[in-house]
Formats: sequence, C-alpha cells, structure tokens
Amino acid sequence: EDQVTQSPEALRLQEGESSSLNCSYTVSGLRGLFWYRQDPGKGPEFLFTLYSAGEEKEKERLKATLTKKESFLHITAPKPEDSATYLCAVQAGSGGSNYKLTFGKGTLLTVNP
Amino acid sequence: EAGVTQFPSHSVIEKGQTVTLRCDPISGHDNLYWYRRVMGKEIKFLLHFVKESKQDESGMPNNRFLAERTGGTYSTLKVQPAELEDSGVYFCASSQGNPSSYNSPLHFGNGTRLTVT
Repeated sequence: EDQVTQSPEALRLQEGESSSLNCSYTVSGLRGLFWYRQDPGKGPEFLFTLYSAGEEKEKERLKATLTKKESFLHITAPKPEDSATYLCAVQAGSGGSNYKLTFGKGTLLTVNP
Repeated sequence: EAGVTQFPSHSVIEKGQTVTLRCDPISGHDNLYWYRRVMGKEIKFLLHFVKESKQDESGMPNNRFLAERTGGTYSTLKVQPAELEDSGVYFCASSQGNPSSYNSPLHFGNGTRLTVT
C-alpha cells in the first residue's frame, strides 16, 4: 500500500528564517510526487510535480527536491503570506489508468512577522 | 478560467438523512475526482470519473455513497443514509489528463464541509 509521511506536523518560523519540510514516501513505481498548498477553508492549490530522483523545481521562495525515498520543500526567507498547510501526494505507477493520489497529513507552517 | 466549483460549502444534517453534494469541474476537463478529509486524517481518494464513466471507485467507503456524472459534465455525490462517521470535508477535483502528465495537475474545489449530528 502506498504511504506518505510528512514531517514536522507543524512548524513555526520567524519571517526570513529559512527551513525545510519533509515528505517520505513508499510507493510501487512512482509516477509523480506533488506538492500542494492549502489555506484555511480552501482546497489544495497545486505547486509542483516531481518525476524522478534528482529533480528540482522552484517557484518564488519555494524549492522542491526529490530523492528515491523522500522529497523536501525548502522555504527561503519566508514571509507571513507563506503561512499555510503544505501537502505532499504521490501517484503510483501500477496500471496505466491509475490516476489516484495518496496524500500525507500535511505540515502546518506559520510564519510570524 | 473558472475553477472547480462545489455546492454547498457547508451542510449540517441529522444521522439517517440524505445529502447530495455537487461539483462543477473546470470546463473541458474529462477527469473528475472526489476526495474526502475526515478530522485528523489525510485527504483520501474516493473515486475517479473519465467523462461519465467511473474509472476507479476503489475508495468509496460503502454502498451508502453514490456518485454520478451524467453527461460527463457536473457530478453529484449522494450519501444515503448519512452516519456520524461521514462527517468531514469532501473535495472535488478535475484534471485535463493524467495528473502526472505535463501541465495536467489536479485542480481542487474549496470543498463541502459535511457535519452529521
């Protein structure tokens, strides 16, 4: 069974204090690893898709990296508006029609001014 | 482009009653998904439509849940009769193609918060 574990569950940073969120996964044949951002009362908002170990993607203050066992979301010099829950999800490779995503519980990030 | 729209945003019903949730996907997206998050747990897959056909319903918890997508446009998810453990946030999502394909990620609606008392 596919599993996704995110750590820490919650992270509190000062504005400008860089850090990383972790997503460990166990999946039979990774087709894609996804990062989403979720604000209170809203649905998850897509950030990145990573496909293979060694891949990196960047968007503003966020950079996502991928190894064979885990992914990191690095946040550089965060601002209060980066406060949100960050979700990691994987899509397994079993079956060409398997479009199901398996999510982790998320990391609640709070950035204080 | 308009996003995924869900209605209602909140619903409070009594145990044993029926509730129907509606989802309007992004126009042109053949793939429509239902997910659910119960308190303290992760978001979990319920089912996947391709146009009007159920492609994967492996996540549906039991036969009290019925999803339809007549005409391949909007979808409804009916819970009948509702039980206390059905409480949670129900998310709908849509994608143009395979989520792991380039430029075809899942786009989520804001969810329907269902409370069964």
